[in-house]
Amino acid sequence: AQSVAQPEDQVNVAEGNPLTVKCTYSVSGNPYLFWYVQYPNRGLQFLLKYITGDNLVKGSYGFEAEFNKSQTSFHLKKPSALVSDSALYFCAVDAGANNLFFGTGTRLTVIP
Amino acid sequence: GAVVSQHPSRVICKSGTSVKIECRSLDFQATTMFWYRQFPKKSLMLMATSNEGSKATYEQGVEKDKFLINHASLTLSTLTVTSAHPEDSSFYICSAQEDPANEQFFGPGTRLTVL
Repeated sequence: AQSVAQPEDQVNVAEGNPLTVKCTYSVSGNPYLFWYVQYPNRGLQFLLKYITGDNLVKGSYGFEAEFNKSQTSFHLKKPSALVSDSALYFCAVDAGANNLFFGTGTRLTVIP
Repeated sequence: GAVVSQHPSRVICKSGTSVKIECRSLDFQATTMFWYRQFPKKSLMLMATSNEGSKATYEQGVEKDKFLINHASLTLSTLTVTSAHPEDSSFYICSAQEDPANEQFFGPGTRLTVL
């Protein structure tokens, strides 16, 4: 069975510092991995995805994520956090049949 | 491009009534649409997958007679919560996909509150 884990419910980081939001997955076969962001009272916005190729994926708003097959991880990163990055972040995996399995979300708070 | 809308954005209804939520792909034809439910402080749970012109495929534990899904055209899918009860109160999000090779694009969500 496929699953996605986001071990941190909350991540706090000072503005200008690098940020990392963790995600690990469990799925058979080669997964498609995604990151989405959700702002208050809004739907999900696509940030980036990994399908194949380079393990470092660059996405919207300066975010990037690194696919690590041996550690089954797909952590989201940004070199310098902005206050406007404060939101709820979801990691998701598509293990085939176009069914997305989401993690429980990590609330990122960037402190001015 | 790839805009998905939902209507209404917020609805409050009395227990026992039915509520219809629309999901539209505005600038592409969605062969597949998905309906998710988001509980407070929890992840999104896939409720069902619908393909245009065919019956929706429901996830285990989702009552198909309670959550009626109609994907009548390539740009519109509707979710009807029948005989709504307070426990149906939630945030419902749809997504649309042009073809299986593309990612899903999400709507802004609908907040349902059943009194």
